[in-house]
Amino acid sequence: DTGVSQNPRHKITKRGQNVTFRCDPISEHNRLYWYRQTLGQGPEFLTYFQNEAQLEKSRLLSDRFSAERPKGSFSTLEIQRTEQGDSAMYLCASSLNTGIYGYTFGSGTRLTVV
Amino acid sequence: AQTVTQSQPEMSVQEAETVTLSCTYDTSESDYYLFWYKQPPSRQMILVIRQEAYKQQNATENRFSVNFQKAAKSFSLKISDSQLGDAAMYFCAYRSAALDTGNQFYFGTGTSLTVIP
Repeated sequence: DTGVSQNPRHKITKRGQNVTFRCDPISEHNRLYWYRQTLGQGPEFLTYFQNEAQLEKSRLLSDRFSAERPKGSFSTLEIQRTEQGDSAMYLCASSLNTGIYGYTFGSGTRLTVV
Repeated sequence: AQTVTQSQPEMSVQEAETVTLSCTYDTSESDYYLFWYKQPPSRQMILVIRQEAYKQQNATENRFSVNFQKAAKSFSLKISDSQLGDAAMYFCAYRSAALDTGNQFYFGTGTSLTVIP
């Protein structure tokens, strides 16, 4: 297993367009998390899945954001009608069970909205 | 919500020397976990060290150790014998141990560490 994989690494999109990111977690990890990191800030929690169930969503996750994890494997994060404020690094992480021993992070997808 | 504060945006250290990165946090909980993560430029975040709040003994991992002061809500990271590969952004993170709310990490704003050859 090569760790948590995120695609694409970089995405430039025009304001108003929809974008979708993919995360492939470590195969035996049942929990998957999405975080957003803006310049000069630490990562901020967006949402997490336990297997295929989305169990918690942050208030940062507006109606334009949707995340899925079909079959409890990979996950997608879609942003509809992108805005310039959506420009950030989107980080995916996974953990076995509760994650009290820490997460394994992916390298992130950097989104630039122009 | 819990808050994590890293008051040193940037730090530098001479190669082979020791550096300490500061972190304070605010919580009303008694049971939680604290972490230090390292984020090299354009690379993924890597767990450096972890501390359980109910343990008084400070965690150590090779050249990395922490000074955990629960009463003061302080969790500093000491890097001994600094190496060029230690250059990175370091994030302090808090995670509740509560079953219902302990599903996310709260991160500080990070400290950028430069190692001078």
